[in-house]
Amino acid sequence: AQSVTQLDSQVPVFEEAPVELRCNYSSSVSVYLFWYVQYPNQGLQLLLKYLSGSTLVKGINGFEAEFNKSQTSFHLRKPSVHISDTAEYFCAVLNTGGFKTIFGAGTRLFVKA
Amino acid sequence: DVKVTQSSRYLVKRTGEKVFLECVQDMDHENMFWYRQDPGLGLRLIYFSYDVKMKEKGDIPEGYSVSREKKERFSLILESASTNQTSMYLCASSDGTLNTEAFFGQGTRLTVV
Repeated sequence: AQSVTQLDSQVPVFEEAPVELRCNYSSSVSVYLFWYVQYPNQGLQLLLKYLSGSTLVKGINGFEAEFNKSQTSFHLRKPSVHISDTAEYFCAVLNTGGFKTIFGAGTRLFVKA
Repeated sequence: DVKVTQSSRYLVKRTGEKVFLECVQDMDHENMFWYRQDPGLGLRLIYFSYDVKMKEKGDIPEGYSVSREKKERFSLILESASTNQTSMYLCASSDGTLNTEAFFGQGTRLTVV
C-alpha cells in the first residue's frame, strides 16, 4: 500500500526567506509524485509534478522539488517566499498505471511580513 | 483550461436528508473522483469512476454513493446525512490515458445540522 507523510503540519516563515516543505512516501512500485497548492476557500491546483527523467523539477511561482529515490522523498523548496505564498500545500503520489492519487495531510505555510 | 465545476460552494442540510453534490468537467476526462477534506487528515478518497456507469470504492465509502450516467458528470450522494459528514468535498478529474495530475473543482463546504 502507498502512503504519504508530510513531516510538518505548519511552517511559519518570514517574507523573502527560503522555505522547504518535506514529504516522504512509501510504495512498492514506481510512482509519479506531485505537489498541489490550495489557497483559502479554493480547490487544489498543481504546483509541479515528477513523472520521470531529471530528479529536479521546476514548477509555477518559483517552486521546485527534488525526487530522491533512495530516501523516498520529494521535498518542495522556494529560495525566497512572498506573502502571497501563504496557503496549504499537499504532496501526493500515484502508482504508474494506477488510478488513485494518495495525498498527504498537508502543510500550512504562513509567510509573515 | 480544464474546468471542473461543482454545483454549490456552500450547503447546509439537516440530519437525515438525502444530499446530492454535483460535479461537471469539460475536458472529456475518463477518470473522476470525490474526495473529502478534513483538517489534519488531508484528502481522503470516497469514490472514483474510470468510465461511464463504472465506479470503485475509495478509502471511506461508508454513507456515500455515486452516480455517473454521463462522462462529464459525477454525482456524490449522501443517502442520509449525518453530522459527521460535515466537511469540504472536492471533485477532481484526470485523463485516463496519461494518468497524471488531477484537476480539481472549487469544493463544496457541507454543513449538516
